[in-house]
Amino acid sequence: NAGVTQTPKFQVLKTGQSMTLQCAQDMNHEYMSWYRQDPGMGLRLIHYSVGAGITDQGEVPNGYNVSRSTTEDFPLRLLSAAPSQTSVYFCASSVDSVMYFGPGTRLTVT
Amino acid sequence: GENVEQHPSTLSVQEGDSAVIKCTYSDSASNYFPWYKQELGKRPQLIIDIRSNVGEKKDQRIAVTLNKTAKHFSLHITETQPEDSAVYFCAASFSGNTPLVFGKGTRLSVIA
Repeated sequence: NAGVTQTPKFQVLKTGQSMTLQCAQDMNHEYMSWYRQDPGMGLRLIHYSVGAGITDQGEVPNGYNVSRSTTEDFPLRLLSAAPSQTSVYFCASSVDSVMYFGPGTRLTVT
Repeated sequence: GENVEQHPSTLSVQEGDSAVIKCTYSDSASNYFPWYKQELGKRPQLIIDIRSNVGEKKDQRIAVTLNKTAKHFSLHITETQPEDSAVYFCAASFSGNTPLVFGKGTRLSVIA
């Protein structure tokens, strides 16, 4: 099992550009989520999904969209990048509350 | 919604000493409390978890205690080693399909 995979590992965007962070898992987990990690702020939930076709907002959803068309994939879209979205983004999947994180994407918005 | 407070934010201990990190949560319905360790540049990794039907759980040098009445839980690391140096996060959730809410983290430094 590859577990949870994320691409890209690093990305630099200019303000106003859009992009999609990819996340996939091969563990057949129904629950998937996206967190951002900023220094001193811990892990803050952006969006989550309890299964294909179902998504919901977390603590900091503004500026991000998600969709869940399959159990395996949960992409995160930045609609119009802003410097405040500079962060490390972690995708995770879980079963019975036990959460497994992907390796993260380090995003810089200039 | 759930709110998790974690203390201290930084902790330095001598190698061989014990380290204790404490968390409090706000939602009395929460019943799952994991601890994650994150090394520099890596992903958070689960090191131990506890569910509300037990008060303590141990795994070698690490243990977690839970006090549901007071709504707090703690991580205990005994005989600390330099490789224990990392950021530790506590978290809480109600069930498998509700979000895991994290504390802000504790940076543990073990001094040789």
